[in-house]
Amino acid sequence: EAQVTQNPRYLITVTGKKLTVTCSQNMNHEYMSWYRQDPGLGLRQIYYSMNVEVTDKGDVPEGYKVSRKEKRNFPLILESPSPNQTSLYFCASEDLSAGLSYEQYFGPGTRLTVT
Amino acid sequence: KQEVTQIPAALSVPEGENLVLNCSFTDSAIYNLQWFRQDPGKGLTSLLLIQSSQREQTSGRLNASLDKSSGRSTLYIAASQPGDSATYLCAATQGGSEKLVFGKGTKLTVNP
Repeated sequence: EAQVTQNPRYLITVTGKKLTVTCSQNMNHEYMSWYRQDPGLGLRQIYYSMNVEVTDKGDVPEGYKVSRKEKRNFPLILESPSPNQTSLYFCASEDLSAGLSYEQYFGPGTRLTVT
Repeated sequence: KQEVTQIPAALSVPEGENLVLNCSFTDSAIYNLQWFRQDPGKGLTSLLLIQSSQREQTSGRLNASLDKSSGRSTLYIAASQPGDSATYLCAATQGGSEKLVFGKGTKLTVNP
């Protein structure tokens, strides 16, 4: 089954404790992206990757890091989480091979609480 | 900077009614427009994608239209059912980064 998976689905942590949220897709998609969803603000892009070893900032990259060492994986790293990073996080992927812009597939989300 | 607006923010209708959800965007230079459904506490399910060169797409009881010149898209739901209750999000794809710029959504409630 074609899918985007995220782990963990739920996480409660404390300020300053480094964490990683994993994202993996099995569709051989070139493009992957991270979004956060907050009440009243909607979904905003954090980082994106057009292919392996190619990453770039989205609209709200502060406090986050990413890496793309393999095509299927795009982990989101919070080096020193703060309470304002409490949010619902989504990973997405898209097939760019045909050169057109196609639909993005989203993971189930990771609900992060930083106390 | 692209801004996407969805009106109304919430909508409550009786079962069986046909309804239209609206989405507007400020920058017509989009690659495509995508409609999603989000159930409470869940992820996003893609419903329809309209390429910038297309005018509409249909899937079952859903029909989405796109008018780039006026910066508008609509999602038409025919014969609504209680199972259609969810938040509906539209998102415009920006060129270069493939970034999706989302509206804040319309929360739909279909009453039995």
